[in-house]
Amino acid sequence: RKEVEQDPGPFNVPEGATVAFNCTYSNSASQSFFWYRQDCRKEPKLLMSVYSSGNEDGRFTAQLNRASQYISLLIRDSKLSDSATYLCVVNRGGGADGLTFGKGTHLIIQP
Amino acid sequence: NAGVTQTPKFQVLKTGQSMTLQCAQDMNHEYMSWYRQDPGMGLRLIHYSVGAGITDQGEVPNGYNVSRSTTEDFPLRLLSAAPSQTSVYFCASSGGYMGGPTGELFFGEGSRLTVL
Repeated sequence: RKEVEQDPGPFNVPEGATVAFNCTYSNSASQSFFWYRQDCRKEPKLLMSVYSSGNEDGRFTAQLNRASQYISLLIRDSKLSDSATYLCVVNRGGGADGLTFGKGTHLIIQP
Repeated sequence: NAGVTQTPKFQVLKTGQSMTLQCAQDMNHEYMSWYRQDPGMGLRLIHYSVGAGITDQGEVPNGYNVSRSTTEDFPLRLLSAAPSQTSVYFCASSGGYMGGPTGELFFGEGSRLTVL
């Protein structure tokens, strides 16, 4: 099993819809989790951290399921500007090279 | 705020040439790192540093050197460029925690390198 896995998509979603995607991780000792957003030909930027109790930031909700070792990202009322690649990042701890990036899920919001 | 600044943004090299990608941050971050991003491969860690004078290898260090003489600067040197090093390179920094990065990495805008 790969360390961090994501469905690459693309997910084609109509504007206004709700979309969700997951990310699975293999190291049960992983300590912290994040979603990054990367626009085409741009650098990744932190979208949100993922807390054990789940957390929400506007239209975005992130959840962590430690038992099944996955995190999820839910986007409600999707906008055209949400079109991007969403990267799952897991910090397994244990040192300075502990961050592992998923390959990303490509989301396309269609008008 | 400048954040993380990378130069150059674009570069074309011939096989065997050497060059340095520059990276500077003005956030007083201890942790800095270099990644390469290739289609279908995601971001892969090349080298990283937890502070001035300290560097270490990441997942794909071969063909690259780094140094960290100051907190602000973390240049990446390609010793003898090869076509396999054609990629997009990102420098990133983080406030750091217990010798490693916190989750929030601040990335530069990237350097697109083509090796012919």
